[in-house]
Amino acid sequence: TAGITQAPTSQILAAGRSMTLRCTQDMRHNAMYWYRQDLGLGLRLIHYSNTAGTTGKGEVPDGYSVSRANTDDFPLTLASAVPSQTSVYFCASSDSSGGSGANVLTFGAGSRLTVL
Amino acid sequence: GQNIDQPTEMTATEGAIVQINCTYQTSGFNGLFWYQQHAGEAPTFLSYNVLDGLEEKGRFSSFLSRSKGYSYLLLKELQMKDSASYLCAACDSNYQLIWGAGTKLIIKP
Repeated sequence: TAGITQAPTSQILAAGRSMTLRCTQDMRHNAMYWYRQDLGLGLRLIHYSNTAGTTGKGEVPDGYSVSRANTDDFPLTLASAVPSQTSVYFCASSDSSGGSGANVLTFGAGSRLTVL
Repeated sequence: GQNIDQPTEMTATEGAIVQINCTYQTSGFNGLFWYQQHAGEAPTFLSYNVLDGLEEKGRFSSFLSRSKGYSYLLLKELQMKDSASYLCAACDSNYQLIWGAGTKLIIKP
């Protein structure tokens, strides 16, 4: 089934450790995004990439980094995890990155991260 | 600042109609999205409005008034499977999505 694959599904991580959340899409979408979702808050954009080779900062980028070496993969790295990064992380992609408002997102199933 | 407001939770009866409201304040406007998210799952796209008026798609309809910064999602003939959170998101002048916290809809038999 075409779509977005995220791994791991869930993870418990000790504070101070590093972690990479993986995201792969097979729809050949240009744009990819990482969001975090916390109870009582809307989805918040961490980082995005409009096309392979480019990345940008979203609303809450501190403590996170991304890379976009090719069209399909968009990993999110936490260099030194802190408890406030406990959240559900969603990777998403879209066929257009701007210039059109019809920017429908396809989401992955999410990665639940707990930092202790 | 940019802001999206929608009710935290709503309850409705199976077979009935429910309207979920959303108000938005954004820097510029390039459309309003509604997504559905079942518990523990990913959000999925429901509707997109960029012009004023009503867009109908089966049992679901979405309305937009740009002058009022207001949208609603109308769900008809409610089914138990419609129990989910409904996320409102406005697209600003930079084509970034500003998300509401979501409305949890509980359907009772």
